[in-house]
Amino acid sequence: DQQVKQNSPSLSVQEGRISILNCDYTNSMFDYFLWYKKYPAEGPTFLISISSIKDKNEDGRFTVFLNKSAKHLSLHIVPSQPGDSAVYFCAASALGTYKYIFGTGTRLKVLA
Amino acid sequence: EAGVTQFPSHSVIEKGQTVTLRCDPISGHDNLYWYRRVMGKEIKFLLHFVKESKQDESGMPNNRFLAERTGGTYSTLKVQPAELEDSGVYFCASSLQGTAKGYTFGSGTRLTVV
Repeated sequence: DQQVKQNSPSLSVQEGRISILNCDYTNSMFDYFLWYKKYPAEGPTFLISISSIKDKNEDGRFTVFLNKSAKHLSLHIVPSQPGDSAVYFCAASALGTYKYIFGTGTRLKVLA
Repeated sequence: EAGVTQFPSHSVIEKGQTVTLRCDPISGHDNLYWYRRVMGKEIKFLLHFVKESKQDESGMPNNRFLAERTGGTYSTLKVQPAELEDSGVYFCASSLQGTAKGYTFGSGTRLTVV
C-alpha cells in the first residue's frame, strides 16, 4: 500500500508559467516532507523541504505548501524554466526516523 | 567535497549469478542508506547504516540481499543469487546526523538481470 502518492505521472508547462506538482500521503505520523529532483542517469537531488509545523516554505522560485488536514502537499515552481525539466519525487518521513517514503515521481517538461 | 560515489554505474548479469554493488559516502557522513527504484516506480528504502551498524533493514526484500559497511566507511550490497525481479536502479545516499536537508544521493547502479 503506497503511503505517498503522486497521481500525475507527467506534466507539461510553458516556459515562464507556473508548474504545480502534487503529492498526497496517508500516514498521519509523517512530519517531514521533501521534494527531490532527478535528471536522467543521475541520483535524486534535494530541492526543498517542509516540517509539519509549517504550511509553507519558500526558496527562490520553489515553494512547497503543506495541507495537513487534507494530507496533501504541492510544489510550485514560478517561473518555470526549461532546465526545470526533470522527474520530481515527493518524500516523507516520520518523527524519529531517517527513512524516507517516496512517491512514484512526476515527470515535468517545461516547453520553451 | 566529493559526493556519494557508486560502482559500477551499470551491471548486466545472468539470473543466478552474484553481483556486488559498492557505495562510498561523503566523508564524515555516519548515515548511509540504500534505496532501489524498480521499473519506474517509487524509490524504495532498503536499509540504513549508522557507522557500521544496521539501524533499519526493514526494506531488504529477502535473504538474497546482504549489505555490509565494515569500518563504517564504504558499503557493499551483494545480491546472491540474482533473480529477474532484482533489476532496477540501486541508489546509495548519505547524510549527517539530524540534517534537515535530506540525503545526498549517488548516481545509482543500474542492475539488469537477464
